[in-house]
Formats: sequence, structure tokens, C-alpha cells
Amino acid sequence: EIVMTQSPATLSVSPGGRATLSCRASQSVSSNLAWYQHKPGQAPRLLIYGAFTRATGVPDRFSGSGSGTEFTLTISNLQSEDFAVYYCQQYDNWPPLTFGGGTKVEIK
Amino acid sequence: QVQLQESGPGLVKPSETLSLSCAVSGFSINSGYYWGWIRLPPGKGLEWIGNIYHSGGTFYNPSFKNRVSISLDTSKNQFSLTLTSVTAADTAVYYCARRGTYGSDTWGQGTLVTVSS
Repeated sequence: EIVMTQSPATLSVSPGGRATLSCRASQSVSSNLAWYQHKPGQAPRLLIYGAFTRATGVPDRFSGSGSGTEFTLTISNLQSEDFAVYYCQQYDNWPPLTFGGGTKVEIK
Repeated sequence: QVQLQESGPGLVKPSETLSLSCAVSGFSINSGYYWGWIRLPPGKGLEWIGNIYHSGGTFYNPSFKNRVSISLDTSKNQFSLTLTSVTAADTAVYYCARRGTYGSDTWGQGTLVTVSS
């Protein structure tokens, strides 16, 4: 099983600021990495797939990078609606599909 | 517009079986995609439970140790989750989702299932 590790667990950012979230895989997942946004009481939302491709309707202030074992999600010019929990997920080698533990982006 | 909606009991007794259904609208489940279940235990992160391919092939998380089963009902355009021998550790919000090659692009709103006597 591929273990996904996210850091930090919590990130405090001011509105208009930039958030940089990290995700590390226990072995290479190539570019088979997705990012999801999850707000309380809502369905998770696919943001990024293929490590850097934005899903339909996702604003360009969200960007993904990385390959192999190290990945980054960057959120620029943070808006109020961006404060949420973000998860990475690998789909290179499954089952099982595995998620990271999540990073909570909170208002500073 | 594709929509998914979970349904099922919100309370299940320990050692009993959890059964949930996911009704799909706007897309025929036997036309393509994987259909599956993910859960969010309180205070924890997302956990993948399993997927069923539109043709019927199933893929499960080994951590559930043969307790899990996912099936399709094409006549009702829905799919279902069965989890046997539940314990308090199975208390979670359960989401159904459609998964393509690159990720789960459509999710239900989730349903809270509490395991308690």
C-alpha cells in the first residue's frame, strides 16, 4: 500500500495570501496524483488531477506541481471560499486508492 | 448534470450490517466509470472503501478484511454498499462517488452512519 503524507496538518493564511501544501508518497506514483477540497457539510471537490491539471471550473489560483514522490498544491490570492481541508490521493497503484491525512487551511 | 444521493439508516447496532444505496441521476451507471464509496470518520481523514466498475468488476480496500461488498442495480440506476460486522470504528460520514481515470469528479453529499447500541 502506498502511504500518502501531507504537511502541514494546519496552515494559517491571511485572505489574499498564498498557501503551499505538500504531499509525499511512500513510493513513486508518477503523476497519478489528485487533490481534493473539502468543506464541512459538503461533498469533496476534485481540484487537480494528473498532478497539475485543473478539473473543470477550478479557478487558476489553484496550481499543482510535482511528480514521483513529492507534490505541491499552491493556492494564490486566497479567497474566503478557499478555507477548507485539502487532501491528496494517489491512483497510480491500487487497490487501495490512498489519501493523505489532509491539510486544513484556516484564516490567519 | 450528474447527481449522486446516498440513502440508508443513520444508526446501526454493533456486529450488524451497514447497508447504503447511492441513487444516480443524469448518467447511466452501466455506460462507464467506476462507482464507489469513501468515508470520513470523525476527526480523521478520507478513507477509500471500494469501487465497482460499470461492467461489474469490484475493487476493495484490503483494510476492510472481506467485510465489504459493492453492487450495481442497473434497473434502478443505483449502486450499494454492504459492510458487515460493524463496530464503533465504522462510525463515519459515507460518501458515494463517480470515479474516472483521473479522480472522483462527482460526489454525493454524504450520509452520517453511527454505530451504537
